[in-house]
Amino acid sequence: NAGVTQTPKFQVLKTGQSMTLQCAQDMNHNSMYWYRQDPGMGLRLIYYSASEGTTDKGEVPNGYNVSRLNKREFSLRLESAAPSQTSVYFCASSEAGPDTALTFGAGSRLTVL
Amino acid sequence: QKEVEQDPGPLSVPEGAIVSLNCTYSNSAFQYFMWYRQYSRKGPELLMYTYSSGNKEDGRFTAQVDKSSKYISLFIRDSQPSDSATYLCAMSAGAGSYQLTFGKGTKLSVIP
Repeated sequence: NAGVTQTPKFQVLKTGQSMTLQCAQDMNHNSMYWYRQDPGMGLRLIYYSASEGTTDKGEVPNGYNVSRLNKREFSLRLESAAPSQTSVYFCASSEAGPDTALTFGAGSRLTVL
Repeated sequence: QKEVEQDPGPLSVPEGAIVSLNCTYSNSAFQYFMWYRQYSRKGPELLMYTYSSGNKEDGRFTAQVDKSSKYISLFIRDSQPSDSATYLCAMSAGAGSYQLTFGKGTKLSVIP
């Protein structure tokens, strides 16, 4: 099983450009998440999708949008990238809520110049 | 006061040592406690999972939760160089909450 697959692994953007991070899971999990990880800040929840057809804001949603395309796929979009969005982004999934334990992808490293 | 406090280290120990990693928290609603291990440039992976107070053992790893003190620990016995990673504690109130609060992580190096 591939688990959680994220693309791209690396991306460099200029300020103001847009891009979409893709995430897919093959574990038939109901819930999916997007986190960002910054040095000294730990993992912070951007958006989550409790189940197909629903999305909700997490701790740091500003500047991002998400789409739960189907049960497998959950994308994160940056409409107008800013240097403050330079980070490592992780997609994760879980059978139900996060207390059922998360499976993370390998991460997408984004640099905004 | 942050909800979850975790000493970032780095922590360096010789191979075979017993390692103790700790987190404190302030939110008494937390009921689910997890430890994730993250190797360099990889995603976190679940290592231990505990509900409420008590101990849980899995091989060389033991997780302890003391809800009265709002303190959780992860012990690693007979540490190996392959244990070198960043360890993240995480907590959830459950009951429909989708917010999992992470500590900042402790970087551990086990020296051969």
